[in-house]
Amino acid sequence: QLQLQESGPGLVKPSETLSLTCTVSGGSISISRFYWAWIRQSPGKGLEWIGSVYYAGSTYDNPSLKSRLTMSVDASRNQFSLKLNSVTAADTSVYFCARQESSGWPGYFDSWGQGILVTVSS
Amino acid sequence: DIQMTQSPSTLSASVGDRVTITCRASQSISRWLAWYQQKPGKAPKLLIYMGSSLKTGVPSRFSGSGSGTEFSLTISSLQPDDFATYYCQEYDSYHMWTFGQGTKVEIK
Repeated sequence: QLQLQESGPGLVKPSETLSLTCTVSGGSISISRFYWAWIRQSPGKGLEWIGSVYYAGSTYDNPSLKSRLTMSVDASRNQFSLKLNSVTAADTSVYFCARQESSGWPGYFDSWGQGILVTVSS
Repeated sequence: DIQMTQSPSTLSASVGDRVTITCRASQSISRWLAWYQQKPGKAPKLLIYMGSSLKTGVPSRFSGSGSGTEFSLTISSLQPDDFATYYCQEYDSYHMWTFGQGTKVEIK
């Protein structure tokens, strides 16, 4: 059974870089049918798609975050990563990693990690 | 960008009730729509994709319908485990994906 697990610091200072890793187990990240995505949820709010990355390295970024966002894949470790720089309090959220089904083009998110709360505060 | 609007924002219902949540897209998305269930402190879970296809393992009391700009999620007989927040998500866009704001189903 596929499992995804987010890891990284739970506290980041304003203006610094938020870095998270998602480890995939129970399946390979290098399958052409899927993208790998990051989604966040501010406390008490809805879901915001951040970006998606393919195992070969191509990415799709949310335009509102694109200038601050870097995503990558380490297929040898079955992991993908997110870096968001110049963070502010508005970036405080639960961050989820997820698998995105992509038979034609990237679509729905069929497996999710449990989420990790990242707080931006000095 | 495509905007997704759900209604109602909150729905009060009793066990056994038939419940319907609506999701409207700002432009036609064909049937490229998914529904998720989220419980407090947990990750969302995929229920339905392609507007009406039930994910394997999801109870048959859940159903989805619609196409174009208007979609609905129906729970035919609400169970205690169904009290949660439900989100729709469009995937008509080739490179950007948007969720609705959510509908909380609470106990009446």
